[in-house]
Amino acid sequence: DAGVTQSPTHLIKTRGQQVTLRCSPKSGHDTVSWYQQALGQGPQFIFQYYEEEERQRGNFPDRFSGHQFPNYSSELNVNALLLGDSALYLCASSLRGGLPDTQYFGPGTRLTVL
Amino acid sequence: RKEVEQDPGPFNVPEGATVAFNCTYSNSASQSFFWYRQDCRKEPKLLMSVYSSGNEDGRFTAQLNRASQYISLLIRDSKLSDSATYLCVVSPGGGGNKLTFGTGTQLKVEL
Repeated sequence: DAGVTQSPTHLIKTRGQQVTLRCSPKSGHDTVSWYQQALGQGPQFIFQYYEEEERQRGNFPDRFSGHQFPNYSSELNVNALLLGDSALYLCASSLRGGLPDTQYFGPGTRLTVL
Repeated sequence: RKEVEQDPGPFNVPEGATVAFNCTYSNSASQSFFWYRQDCRKEPKLLMSVYSSGNEDGRFTAQLNRASQYISLLIRDSKLSDSATYLCVVSPGGGGNKLTFGTGTQLKVEL
């Protein structure tokens, strides 16, 4: 049973570029949440997708957008990259209506913006 | 004020020591509480959920005080392998899975 997978593992971009990160949830899960973890900080909630719609959103600008596909996988898009977007981006999957402690994290994508 | 506050440490302790981490949260509507462990450059992993009555899992004991909005984690008989960052996490519950993390407390267990 595959857990949460994310791609790519590492990515280097320059300011102003756009990036797309991908996440496949754990088998049987239908909800995907994205988090940003800057160096020395805890993960911060970006948004959550369920039934292909954004259901909750944290305090992130519109440059951050996402998508969920019918197979429950998800993408995170970031436009007009800033140096401050450099971080570990974590995807977490869960089952809608399940308890919060049944949320599983992927290994993350480490984004560096130069 | 941050929603979840933790002492960032680092806590440097000898093997076999007992160490305690504390955390406070600001949202009184929070319903679920957790401690996560994060190893360097890895994803966070659930260490234990925290219940009002307090709960224990081997060498780890977690306590919750809702009145004071305070959560604690006690690690007894520290092992070298306990070296990691410990993240205090709260959730609004109600079926929503949004997790709010503290900045984490770094623990280094030394010989």
